[in-house]
Amino acid sequence: DQQVKQNSPSLSVQEGRISILNCDYTNSMFDYFLWYKKYPAEGPTFLISISSIKDKNEDGRFTVFLNKSAKHLSLHIVPSQPGDSAVYFCAARGTSYGKLTFGQGTILTVHP
Amino acid sequence: NAGVTQTPKFQVLKTGQSMTLQCAQDMNHEYMSWYRQDPGMGLRLIHYSVGAGITDQGEVPNGYNVSRSTTEDFPLRLLSAAPSQTSVYFCASSYSDLNYGYTFGSGTRLTVV
Repeated sequence: DQQVKQNSPSLSVQEGRISILNCDYTNSMFDYFLWYKKYPAEGPTFLISISSIKDKNEDGRFTVFLNKSAKHLSLHIVPSQPGDSAVYFCAARGTSYGKLTFGQGTILTVHP
Repeated sequence: NAGVTQTPKFQVLKTGQSMTLQCAQDMNHEYMSWYRQDPGMGLRLIHYSVGAGITDQGEVPNGYNVSRSTTEDFPLRLLSAAPSQTSVYFCASSYSDLNYGYTFGSGTRLTVV
């Protein structure tokens, strides 16, 4: 049972435009959500997180939106840059502190 | 450099062999965990620890053991390697405050033949 789902395996965007990556979850006990970026042959790199008590968190070009009623979160990257091309994972934490559940990942390609 | 260090980076094992994947962090993080990444599956949690002496199972613990005798180290043991354990393994660590996320190591690529 996949509790965190990223239904788009890939996304292609033009440089300078907005990239929107989506993530859905099923477990209402999740209280913290995170986004990671991963380049080939490297470990994932933390981008941004959001607590379930918030609906938006911004950090530079990255904004995460959380819609608890829909059990949906999204990552907006504005403006997109070619260096943003990577695999993006969303992750969620439930009541077991220390335990993260990841989605399958979305491959983002930003074209110059 | 501060961070999460994983060794080895690459390993080939024969079916039935055992080995230990090493993970060390120097950030005094309470939480540590092991994930495996397989195509189309994302990262799946194998085992995790919320402090020295405390470990628990994740989604896919079968065939793996862990221990956490110190805050810094969290080794993952493969008891009897199987081809299904061919994967890329990542170790991660974190404070309890998730505003800082988890810091991941660079991974160990394991092939079981």
